[in-house]
Amino acid sequence: QSALTQPASVSGSPGQPITISCTGSSSDVGHYNLVSWYQHHPGKVPKLIIYDVSHRPSGVSNRFSGSKSGNTASLTISGLQADDEADYYCTSYAGYNTVMVFGTGTKVTVL
Amino acid sequence: QVQLVQSGAEVKKPGASVKVSCEASGYTFSNHGVTWVRQAPGQGLEWMGWISVSEGDRRYAQKFQGRVTMTTGSSTTTVYLELRSLRFDDTAVYYCARGLSKGWADPSDALDIWGQGTMVTVSS
Repeated sequence: QSALTQPASVSGSPGQPITISCTGSSSDVGHYNLVSWYQHHPGKVPKLIIYDVSHRPSGVSNRFSGSKSGNTASLTISGLQADDEADYYCTSYAGYNTVMVFGTGTKVTVL
Repeated sequence: QVQLVQSGAEVKKPGASVKVSCEASGYTFSNHGVTWVRQAPGQGLEWMGWISVSEGDRRYAQKFQGRVTMTTGSSTTTVYLELRSLRFDDTAVYYCARGLSKGWADPSDALDIWGQGTMVTVSS
């Protein structure tokens, strides 16, 4: 099972929105509404920011939103802030045998 | 507070085994599954497997089948990851993470609480 495909890097200016894509297949992203997104600052612990495609855990800023269309899920960060500079990973359930697969990761840079 | 505390860093030789522990506290242990994820230096996150601490059900990534075992302590709130026949490319930070339960533990659960990570170095 290959990793889900994400852009290697995305950048934006403070206050601007950015969107990160996560492309899988009809066996994972396209088949299940079980996509999650994690924010990972290097040297720290990953943090769950979106689950089940578009749900935010308690305490996560509403600047983070998730969506899905076909085999591609997306994470949008509105009103980019300096602290948003981090690596972002998507994951998706991929059925009984493969179970879970991570995306390749996207480095977000705030210009 | 809800937390997962992992055991300390390990240095192992190729071919050896390593066992990493993950002790949970602050929540009802049996209501959530635990997933193991690793990150090699300069690489992304990689899903290794999941264990249901109440049912004992396990799922492993095909890549690790035959080399990995996930277990729970018999009378503790601790989960263990054992990886055998270590190779140089097993050098990584290993994380345990709690599943965000919807009422029952499932391997598809998002990971809402993470351990601090355990660095495992494979070196001759």
